[in-house]
Amino acid sequence: GQSLEQPSEVTAVEGAIVQINCTYQTSGFYGLSWYQQHDGGAPTFLSYNALDGLEETGRFSSFLSRSDSYGYLLLQEVQMKDSASYFCAVRDILTGGGNKLTFGTGTQLKVEL
Amino acid sequence: GAVVSQHPSRVICKSGTSVKIECRSLDFQATTMFWYRQFPKKSLMLMATSNEGSKATYEQGVEKDKFLINHASLTLSTLTVTSAHPEDSSFYICSARGSSGSWNEQFFGPGTRLTVL
Repeated sequence: GQSLEQPSEVTAVEGAIVQINCTYQTSGFYGLSWYQQHDGGAPTFLSYNALDGLEETGRFSSFLSRSDSYGYLLLQEVQMKDSASYFCAVRDILTGGGNKLTFGTGTQLKVEL
Repeated sequence: GAVVSQHPSRVICKSGTSVKIECRSLDFQATTMFWYRQFPKKSLMLMATSNEGSKATYEQGVEKDKFLINHASLTLSTLTVTSAHPEDSSFYICSARGSSGSWNEQFFGPGTRLTVL
């Protein structure tokens, strides 16, 4: 099976840089995605890595190291509106025809003034 | 981006009744839809994957007779929670993927909060 671990909570002050880590275990790794979810809302797609390295999308960047089974989401200049839950999710090519996403445990980000 | 809607957004029902939740892709054809369950402050747990016109594939531990899934058209999938009990109270979220999109383009609905009394 698959497992993904994230810190349960991260607190930061407005304007800071925040890094949310994700370690995973899966036999047929294909790619790692990141989603944001505000309380009571739908998850929204943020970023995706299939290859090692850094992907940048505005204030959000995501990094992947396949050899370390590790990735992180980087949020630059965090704002109050970034307070939400962040999930990493892995696609495993060996399960469900490669169509399924397995989500991590989630990290609650609290941004303070 | 693509829009997925869910209806109802919130439902309260009595124990023993059945509840149907609809998931619609509004501006694209969804060949595959996914149903998730989420408990407060917890992760999304995949319940089942449904492909249009075929039977849903349920995850281990999910009772298919309890959670009936129908994907009758390319824009609509329904989840029916049969004989609901308080332990079925949860946040149910669907997502949809089109035939032409890349795999990571999985668009989520706003969710349905089910409370069983």
